[in-house]
Amino acid sequence: GENVEQHPSTLSVQEGDSAVIKCTYSDSASNYFPWYKQELGKGPQLIIDIRSNVGEKKDQRIAVTLNKTAKHFSLHITETQPEDSAVYFCAASIVQGAQKLVFGQGTRLTINP
Amino acid sequence: NAGVTQTPKFQVLKTGQSMTLQCAQDMNHNSMYWYRQDPGMGLRLIYYSASEGTTDKGEVPNGYNVSRLNKREFSLRLESAAPSQTSVYFCASSVTGGPYEQYFGPGTRLTVT
Repeated sequence: GENVEQHPSTLSVQEGDSAVIKCTYSDSASNYFPWYKQELGKGPQLIIDIRSNVGEKKDQRIAVTLNKTAKHFSLHITETQPEDSAVYFCAASIVQGAQKLVFGQGTRLTINP
Repeated sequence: NAGVTQTPKFQVLKTGQSMTLQCAQDMNHNSMYWYRQDPGMGLRLIYYSASEGTTDKGEVPNGYNVSRLNKREFSLRLESAAPSQTSVYFCASSVTGGPYEQYFGPGTRLTVT
């Protein structure tokens, strides 16, 4: 079945620097790749997503890139701020009956002031 | 709009007890999902309902049952709780029957002793 690997598991950066989180997936049929942000004690919140017909998508300080040949996609956060501190999850779609999501293990991002 | 709501927020059960986790959404979404989140394992799909009147198993359905009561409500039942079901449970919904743009509730933290 689909396997989604996420790295690193923890990431600490200085405020104002950039942060990059990477995910790899195994199912070549995957065609939807969302990123979720989870703050302490809350549910995951969708922050950006990308479909397989696009190589890059940007929304203000966040961007996602997709390399379908290598089966990996990355989240880029620029000009990091303290409120970016959270756990971030990637996911990839799979088709098993209906389309579903398989999630990575999560990255705890800490922004140091 | 309240989005996705879940009750209760916290619950402690003894082994063998039963309980039902409630989920409701007010976004007129067609699809609803139940996930569990365990440390270091991301989110794993328990059951989903692509549309009112249908339910299907996800990745980890053993020990659980679900009911899609109507378009708004999707409940998760533990018939005989086990310590391995200690977890944080999240309900999510999306407009379509696919994995796209899922909105998550705040979660229920369940401890089984």
